Amino acid sequence: AQKITQTQPGMFVQEKEAVTLDCTYDTSDPSYGLFWYKQPSSGEMIFLIYQGSYDQQNATEGRYSLNFQKARKSANLVISASQLGDSAMYFCAMRTSGSRLTFGEGTQLTVNP
Amino acid sequence: NAGVTQTPKFQVLKTGQSMTLQCAQDMNHEYMSWYRQDPGMGLRLIHYSVGAGITDQGEVPNGYNVSRSTTEDFPLRLLSAAPSQTSVYFCASSRTGFSGNTIYFGEGSWLTVV
Repeated sequence: AQKITQTQPGMFVQEKEAVTLDCTYDTSDPSYGLFWYKQPSSGEMIFLIYQGSYDQQNATEGRYSLNFQKARKSANLVISASQLGDSAMYFCAMRTSGSRLTFGEGTQLTVNP
Repeated sequence: NAGVTQTPKFQVLKTGQSMTLQCAQDMNHEYMSWYRQDPGMGLRLIHYSVGAGITDQGEVPNGYNVSRSTTEDFPLRLLSAAPSQTSVYFCASSRTGFSGNTIYFGEGSWLTVV
């Protein structure tokens, strides 16, 4: 069975600082993909970043980077230079070879001015 | 979100009523799925499909039916609505396997059962 764990129900960060959102995963499938999504208060799911299990380098997309530590089964999201608009719910998700997508319970990020 | 259309956006049902949430995508994606999101929680998989004529159960399938007669459409049917089905429902589509590292979500359907 696949499982995603996000242990931080809420996080606070000062504007312009960096923040790390934790995500650990569990799967016996050697092929998988890891995703991070942002969900603002308006409710839509916004794709942020993707990391494949065989990717050699950590994924980066603008201010977002994914700290992928395969041996530890962790896929933490790092947001650099936080902005007020980054305040939202963040979800880590995993997809295995069966195509099913499993989500964690999310982390509510609040960026303070 | 581009390419995945969900209707209706808001719906209020009475206990015992049935209804269908519609989901359509125009990207020729093989994989489509339905999730529900309860307050303060992540998304849980209800049903999914890897192609026309193929569906399977997810984590929380009870009380819901799906069918996939075309590649484009994947409707979710509530057979006899219960207050426990009050939730936000998301439809998503992508290519199967790992050729599609982006999964497209609909904008969500807010369902209240009274």
